[in-house]
Amino acid sequence: SQQGEEDPQALSIQEGENATMNCSYKTSINNLQWYRQNSGRGLVHLILIRSNEREKHSGRLRVTLDTSKKSSSLLITASRAADTASYFCLGSNTGKLIFGQGTTLQVKP
Amino acid sequence: DGGITQSPKYLFRKEGQNVTLSCEQNLNHDAMYWYRQDPGQGLRLIYYSQIVNDFQKGDIAEGYSVSREKKESFPLTVTSAQKNPTAFYLCASSIPRGWPRASNQPQHFGDGTRLSIL
Repeated sequence: SQQGEEDPQALSIQEGENATMNCSYKTSINNLQWYRQNSGRGLVHLILIRSNEREKHSGRLRVTLDTSKKSSSLLITASRAADTASYFCLGSNTGKLIFGQGTTLQVKP
Repeated sequence: DGGITQSPKYLFRKEGQNVTLSCEQNLNHDAMYWYRQDPGQGLRLIYYSQIVNDFQKGDIAEGYSVSREKKESFPLTVTSAQKNPTAFYLCASSIPRGWPRASNQPQHFGDGTRLSIL
């Protein structure tokens, strides 16, 4: 499979700042999902954006999708120490699931 | 509460030994998945199943086997043919059967099993 690529690989910010993570992929997708993983735990679904959508909001999360550039971004506003985790994008199309390698976010109190 | 249960949380394998990882869900989901995660990496798909008694190979199926005799259960066996089995294994499920609908639904994950070689 062709894994997605995320950048930055690691991000460290102060509480209250915004955090932006990017995901790029190589194949066409039907939708893109973002997941969060706390250390040593499973993944938790955050938000799904379909290929015909450009932007989606959920609480402090804002996701954009640019299918022409094959990229997506996840913005977490007003970050909290509890947002410290790894964040993964998952692109899917018919018969394929492609995870990015993740961005590790550290939010310092 | 509904969810996915993986057991054990930690597992150790001797050289040449097969081990089986358990995954049980009570979410009434049709689709189930097994992923492997290596340190600092994303997830790679090992096997998936859209319906009872049916499963398909993912990207890294060599050295692994699965069964899907019940809707609730999707055990993964790591065989002795898997030469580098040390990893974090994650099981997931989602609602509908059949591509592409299954890929359009959020996946629910268990808390993983960490497998190490003695």
